[in-house]
Amino acid sequence: KNEVEQSPQNLTAQEGEFITINCSYSVGISALHWLQQHPGGGIVSLFMLSSGKKKHGRLIATINIQEKHSSLHITASHPRDSAVYICAVRRGAQKLVFGQGTRLTINP
Amino acid sequence: DGGITQSPKYLFRKEGQNVTLSCEQNLNHDAMYWYRQDPGQGLRLIYYSQIVNDFQKGDIAEGYSVSREKKESFPLTVTSAQKNPTAFYLCASSLGGIDTGELFFGEGSRLTVL
Repeated sequence: KNEVEQSPQNLTAQEGEFITINCSYSVGISALHWLQQHPGGGIVSLFMLSSGKKKHGRLIATINIQEKHSSLHITASHPRDSAVYICAVRRGAQKLVFGQGTRLTINP
Repeated sequence: DGGITQSPKYLFRKEGQNVTLSCEQNLNHDAMYWYRQDPGQGLRLIYYSQIVNDFQKGDIAEGYSVSREKKESFPLTVTSAQKNPTAFYLCASSLGGIDTGELFFGEGSRLTVL
């Protein structure tokens, strides 16, 4: 079993829908990252969090350390949100363990 | 604009050849990283460097080599010893290391072995 599991693996939705992507991990961590990978391959860091909740524009990330679970929410989704979203957990110095990613497609 | 530049974006190699992927950053970051991405798998760490003239092996360093002669540059060489080199390679940097800040990524280099 992978240390970091994301669900769903693929998600297709209509423009305007509320999107939730989940990340569960099985090990102790010091922080969790949410990343966005564009179709061309480049990756952008969205959030880094160790507790509670963070919000940036239409994106919201939450983490529950006790339950070893994090969610990424997108409100009022738009076709430009179509990308692969990756969860990564920080374990010790210089060690990140990455999930397999969730491929999100938003149709107009 | 500050950022990370990887080149080339696409590279084809014959079996038995070494190839070098370039990674340059103008963010004044101390730490730099090389990751490999394969379909259906999470990114895996190849090598990382926290300061000039020092680097450490990651989880899958076999068949790869790096150098860190300048703060802004961290080239990766894929040697002929790497048994399955076809993959997407991503370079990243952070100000003080993964445990202190967010990661910034390049656009990636896709290597195909013919």
